[in-house]
Amino acid sequence: QSGLTQPASLSGSPGQSISISCTGTSSDVGSYNLVSWYQQRPGKAPQLMIYEVSERPSGISNRFSGSKSGNTASLTISGLQAEDEADYYCCSYTRSTKTFLFGGGTKLTVL
Amino acid sequence: EVQLVESGGGLVQPGGSLRLSCAASGFAFNNYAFSWVRQAPGKGLEWVSVISGSGGSTNYADSVKGRFTISRDNSKNTLYLHINSLRPEDTAVYYCARDPRGRFLELLSNFDYWGQGTLVAVSS
Repeated sequence: QSGLTQPASLSGSPGQSISISCTGTSSDVGSYNLVSWYQQRPGKAPQLMIYEVSERPSGISNRFSGSKSGNTASLTISGLQAEDEADYYCCSYTRSTKTFLFGGGTKLTVL
Repeated sequence: EVQLVESGGGLVQPGGSLRLSCAASGFAFNNYAFSWVRQAPGKGLEWVSVISGSGGSTNYADSVKGRFTISRDNSKNTLYLHINSLRPEDTAVYYCARDPRGRFLELLSNFDYWGQGTLVAVSS
């Protein structure tokens, strides 16, 4: 069970847009629209930001959006704000094996 | 209000055992599947195990299969993780997390609520 691949770090200036990629295989990300994204601030539990590739939970800003193409999913944050600085993790559920797989995480720095 | 509160973590010697608990409130506990997710110090998230709403179906990550046992007591609204043969690499914060898609493992999707985590430290 190798993890999903994310860039280790990304940075952007306030107001910019950034995208975080999450690459899996045809057996996980590519097979199901069951990719979710989590934001984690230091010392805190993860928070759900996007589920089922592009759905946004109630209360999450519409500056956060998700998409998928083939075996790669992406989280886009538009209009970057200082409060977006955090670690971001993608996760994929594979129904055939009934397992979840996380990406290694991306540390987002807002310059 | 949905609440998940983990407990049971602590300092354990290699080879030891521990039982983690996750007390749930604010929703119909037996209607949801739950997972345990861990995070080693300074590292990323790692999914550990999942259990269906009834408790009749479970699954594990390869890294813990045979040593960890997930269970639940729906009469007490509590999720458990029994950890045996602890290794230093099991040192992590352990989170319980709810899947909003319901009770069956075939229909799971994501984690909408997380507990605050409980730290397990394995060291001699």
